[in-house]
Amino acid sequence: DAGVTQSPTHLIKTRGQHVTLRCSPISGHKSVSWYQQVLGQGPQFIFQYYEKEERGRGNFPDRFSARQFPNYSSELHVNALLLGDSALYLCASSLVGGRGTGELFFGEGSRLTVL
Amino acid sequence: GQQVMQIPQYQHVQEGEDFTTYCNSSTTLSNIQWYKQRPGGHPVFLIQLVKSGEVKKQKRLTFQFGEAKKNSSLHITATQTTDVGTYFCAGPVLNGGSNYKLTFGKGTLLTVNP
Repeated sequence: DAGVTQSPTHLIKTRGQHVTLRCSPISGHKSVSWYQQVLGQGPQFIFQYYEKEERGRGNFPDRFSARQFPNYSSELHVNALLLGDSALYLCASSLVGGRGTGELFFGEGSRLTVL
Repeated sequence: GQQVMQIPQYQHVQEGEDFTTYCNSSTTLSNIQWYKQRPGGHPVFLIQLVKSGEVKKQKRLTFQFGEAKKNSSLHITATQTTDVGTYFCAGPVLNGGSNYKLTFGKGTLLTVNP
């Protein structure tokens, strides 16, 4: 079975542009979480969706938004990119959402560089 | 706010030496999870501990959950070069209403000299 897939794997943007990152969870998983990982730091929680509903939002500005589709795939949008948005964006799927329990299965990530 | 903290930030050992990383929470956790991230890779789940005082072993890795469920440790016996990576602990932190977010520590980067 396929694991969590993310696209694109790498991308370069300039300040002020916007970006959309995509994630397909493991088949049967209904929850998707998004994390930002800056070099040398742990993953920082951005969003969690379960059954197409937002179940949590981290301490990120409104420039960050996300949604989950009926097939449980998800997109993360970031508007008005800043240099500080350069990071590895990780998507993780799980069976349940919002409880903070149960294994997270991470994708390979999308590495965003903002110039 | 609630935090999950890890020490040390870095640890360099000779192959064959033991290694321990510690995780502390400002509040009681319902569970603690451990992940490993190889250089250039993504976090991979290692284990989840749920019970107070729980100890679990995976080959050379020993995981402990404190009696108060506010701290945890990961101990690796006789490290090997394949153990290289960053080890993260993660615990559920209340994130509005009744929803929890899995919050990661900053991780401990382990390097092993062969």
